[in-house]
Amino acid sequence: EAQVTQNPRYLITVTGKKLTVTCSQNMNHEYMSWYRQDPGLGLRQIYYSMNVEVTDKGDVPEGYKVSRKEKRNFPLILESPSPNQTSLYFCASTPRLAGNTDTQYFGPGTRLTVL
Amino acid sequence: AQSVTQLGSHVSVSEGALVLLRCNYSSSVPPYLFWYVQYPNQGLQLLLKYTTGATLVKGINGFEAEFKKSETSFHLTKPSAHMSDAAEYFCAVRPLMNTGFQKLVFGTGTRLLVSP
Repeated sequence: EAQVTQNPRYLITVTGKKLTVTCSQNMNHEYMSWYRQDPGLGLRQIYYSMNVEVTDKGDVPEGYKVSRKEKRNFPLILESPSPNQTSLYFCASTPRLAGNTDTQYFGPGTRLTVL
Repeated sequence: AQSVTQLGSHVSVSEGALVLLRCNYSSSVPPYLFWYVQYPNQGLQLLLKYTTGATLVKGINGFEAEFKKSETSFHLTKPSAHMSDAAEYFCAVRPLMNTGFQKLVFGTGTRLLVSP
């Protein structure tokens, strides 16, 4: 089954304790993104990747890191989490198609609480 | 910069009533337009999208949306609401650019409540 998976789905942690949220897709998509969803703000892009070893900042990259060592994986790293990073996080992948009409495929989300 | 405005953070309808969720975008050039749905505790799922061609776009679950360039709108409709339509709906735009990854710019979402 074609899908985007994220782990963990739920995480409660404390300020300053490094964490990684994994994202994996089995559709051989070139593009991958991370979003955070906050009430009243919709989804905002954190980072994106156009291919292996190619990443760039989105709209709200502060406090986050990413890596793209393999095409299928795009982990989100919080080196020193803070309470304002409490949010619902979504990973998405997109095929690179002619005309840029591609659709983003979203993972199920990771709900992170930083105490 | 592209932006998306969804009027109404909550919309309530009765089962069987018309559903109308509003979306307006700001862009000097019509972008690609999308509606996504998010059911409770799930990720976003594409409902429909407009790229080029026919301005009335049909999606899954009986939803459709009409692109109106003169009004910079892309409102989502469904003739008859079902209880299972209760969810949060996001309008999104992708700017038309020639190269690279084109991110989606999302609206703030509209929660649809359906009562019996």
